[in-house]
Amino acid sequence: GDSVTQMEGPVTLSEEAFLTINCTYTATGYPSLFWYVQYPGEGLQLLLKATKADDKGSNKGFEATYRKETTSFHLEKGSVQVSDSAVYFCALSVRREYGNKLVFGAGTILRVKS
Amino acid sequence: ETGVTQTPRHLVMGMTNKKSLKCEQHLGHNAMYWYKQSAKKPLELMFVYNFKEQTENNSVPSRFSPECPNSSHLFLHLHTLQPEDSALYLCASSQASSGDRGLLYEQYFGPGTRLTVT
Repeated sequence: GDSVTQMEGPVTLSEEAFLTINCTYTATGYPSLFWYVQYPGEGLQLLLKATKADDKGSNKGFEATYRKETTSFHLEKGSVQVSDSAVYFCALSVRREYGNKLVFGAGTILRVKS
Repeated sequence: ETGVTQTPRHLVMGMTNKKSLKCEQHLGHNAMYWYKQSAKKPLELMFVYNFKEQTENNSVPSRFSPECPNSSHLFLHLHTLQPEDSALYLCASSQASSGDRGLLYEQYFGPGTRLTVT
């Protein structure tokens, strides 16, 4: 079935360090891929998305490239800030009659220290 | 108000109580969702409503009863819950469509209701 696998956390980094959070997926067809972020005490917010192979999604300094050949969508940021501390969820969108259904990974906690 | 709102933000209830969670979206969407988020578990989709019709129920126990009176409002009625039902309940909405166009539409989430069952 459709699934998303994320690297386990927590990931702890110092401010200005380089971030990579790995995400791989299994899906039939050609899903859209998303990264959501959840700050403490809040719901999930869309961070970025990519809808076809080789697309690069980007937002707030974060980037992820849709790699069909490796079925991956790794999240990267060149220089993290304390305010980036949150839980990051990779997700894919699968086709249903009513529209899209999101399948989420387990989430990766990111802690950034000053 | 903008986006997706949920009330209450926190709820403590006993196992014999009956309560309801409310979700409202101000985005003009036609699909609404209930998710359960438990510690150390992936986000679990519970129910989906598309144009007010329930289109998905992921084997959720009957002590959870959803209601969607219109495209902007979604309720989750709770009764005789168990302690393991304690979790963050998230509501989301999106545009509703069929076919491949549906893959493009992201979901917008509310802040959630933190439920504790004692």
